[in-house]
Amino acid sequence: EAGVTQFPSHSVIEKGQTVTLRCDPISGHDNLYWYRRVMGKEIKFLLHFVKESKQDESGMPNNRFLAERTGGTYSTLKVQPAELEDSGVYFCASNARYQAGATTGEQFFGPGTRLTVL
Amino acid sequence: GDSVTQMEGPVTLSEEAFLTINCTYTATGYPSLFWYVQYPGEGLQLLLKATKADDKGSNKGFEATYRKETTSFHLEKGSVQVSDSAVYFCALSVKYALNFGKGTSLLVTP
Repeated sequence: EAGVTQFPSHSVIEKGQTVTLRCDPISGHDNLYWYRRVMGKEIKFLLHFVKESKQDESGMPNNRFLAERTGGTYSTLKVQPAELEDSGVYFCASNARYQAGATTGEQFFGPGTRLTVL
Repeated sequence: GDSVTQMEGPVTLSEEAFLTINCTYTATGYPSLFWYVQYPGEGLQLLLKATKADDKGSNKGFEATYRKETTSFHLEKGSVQVSDSAVYFCALSVKYALNFGKGTSLLVTP
């Protein structure tokens, strides 16, 4: 079974440019998450999709970030325009939907996209 | 809000040494607790988890016990190997999202 994949693995852009990150979750996983780790800081939650719907986007830092999951399969995270502080590693994770009241399930992570904004 | 605090690294140990990485948490609900590991060049992998007080998670010789009275979930291993060199993240989850600590880098030398 293929794991979570992310593209690109690295991206170097200049301030003001646009970058789009892609995540392909494990097939059949309804839940898809985006996280970000800025250098020296914690891995921070950005948002959560259930199929194509945004369940929780409380972690999105500002309106320069736009996440989509059309069709409920892969997801994209666009940063426009990119700023220096957006540099970091962006992780995507997925897991299967579980019944209400069940325990929290394991999240399966991709290898991350390292974004450098110059 | 919910948060995790784990000991700062890097931690350097000799092979076969005993490992402890401290992790404490603050949560408003009843969290599940996790240890994730990131090996060089790879994504995060779940190492172990515990979903309620006094549960012990274990995997690959690593153990951690969910201590509600001390709000802790310390990671331990009796004898580390060079292959255990990685970054270890403590995390909690009340609903869906994971809240992570800053990560502890472990280097095991032969």
